[in-house]
Parts: sequence; C-alpha cells; structure tokens
Amino acid sequence: DIQMTQSPSSLSASVGDRVTITCRASRTISNYLNWYHQKPGKAPKLLIYGASSLQSGVPSRFRGSGSGTDFTLTINNLQPEDFATYYCQQSYSVPGTFGPGTTVDVK
Amino acid sequence: EVQLVESGGGLVQPGGSLRLSCAASGFSFSYYAMNWVRQSPGKGLEWVSGISGSGASTSYADSVNGRFTISRDNSKNTLYLQMNGLRAEDTAVYYCAKDLGVATPRTFDYWGQGTLVTVSS
Repeated sequence: DIQMTQSPSSLSASVGDRVTITCRASRTISNYLNWYHQKPGKAPKLLIYGASSLQSGVPSRFRGSGSGTDFTLTINNLQPEDFATYYCQQSYSVPGTFGPGTTVDVK
Repeated sequence: EVQLVESGGGLVQPGGSLRLSCAASGFSFSYYAMNWVRQSPGKGLEWVSGISGSGASTSYADSVNGRFTISRDNSKNTLYLQMNGLRAEDTAVYYCAKDLGVATPRTFDYWGQGTLVTVSS
C-alpha cells in the first residue's frame, strides 16, 4: 500500500495568516492527491482534488500544488472557519490511503 | 441537493454481524461509484470498501477483506455494507462517500453524517 505522511502534525495560527501543510507519498502518485478538512463531529469535506483543482464551492484562498510524491496545501488569509484538521489522501491506487492529519488551531 | 444518510450502526459483540445502509438522494445514484470510509474514535480516516456504479466491481481494504461485503441496490438508491466477524478494531464511525466522478476514482465529494459501530463484549 502507498503510505502518506503529513507535516506538521499540528500548528497554531491566527486569522489572516498564511498556512502551509505538506504531504508526502511513499511512491509516486502523479497528481492523484486530494485534500480534505474535518471539523469535530462532522464528516470530512473535499477541498482540492487532482493535487490542484479547487472543488466547487471551496474558497479560492485554498491552493494545492505538487506532483509525484510531494504535495502542498496553502491556505491564504486564514479565516475562523478554517480551524480544523486537514487530511491528504492518495487516489492513485486501492486503498485510497489518507495521511494522519494536520490540526490547525488558534494561536 | 445531494444527501447521504447512513443507518444500522450500534453495539455488537466480537464475532457478530451488522449491516449498514446508506440512503442516497439528489443525484443519479447508479452513475457513481460509492464507498465506505471509517474513522476510529479520535483517529484518522481509513477507506474500507468501494463499489462501481453498476455494482459489478468491488474492492476492499486488506483489513476487512473476506469479512465485509459491499453492495448496492440502484432501484432503491441505497448502498450497503454487510459486516461479519466483527472485531474490536472495527469500532469506528462509518461514513458512506460518493465518488466525484468516473475520471476521479476514490475522490470523495459528498459524505454522509456517519454511523457509529461499537464492537465490545
């Protein structure tokens, strides 16, 4: 199975900050990389698919980049509703493994 | 509006069985692959199983292969997960999740609210 890692595991930020989360795959996955965020007690929500495509309805302050094994999610001008846990997920092959998550909390 | 509503979770003893259901509405159900994804309490996400729109093709995580069976009834717009031989490590919230599209397998654009399965004696 393809293993996914994320860094950092958590970070503290303030409203208006730029936040960057990285994700690495254990082998190349082309651009088959998705980003989700999840708030406590809620289902995950798709933000970015195909490494850089913004899901419909997601604000443009979310930006995804990368290919191969290394990927980045950038959140510009962090908003109060963005405090959550962020997961990357590879959709290159079965099983579609998720990263362990990065929690973004209030500084 | 797309809606996915899971049901069937609950408390079951080790070795027992449960069948989860996911009622779908607001989209052409038979066109899209569907999946089950679980999340153990306080932990990360794990894809469990997926099924093609027609139901002809299925896939499973190694951790559940041979114990769980995914199926769908397109006439009822409903997805199922039959879980047999349940173990403590199967305790989790189980989500049904819709594929974004044919060209984007295992990319989940809509999720249900989840149903909790607890395996304990």
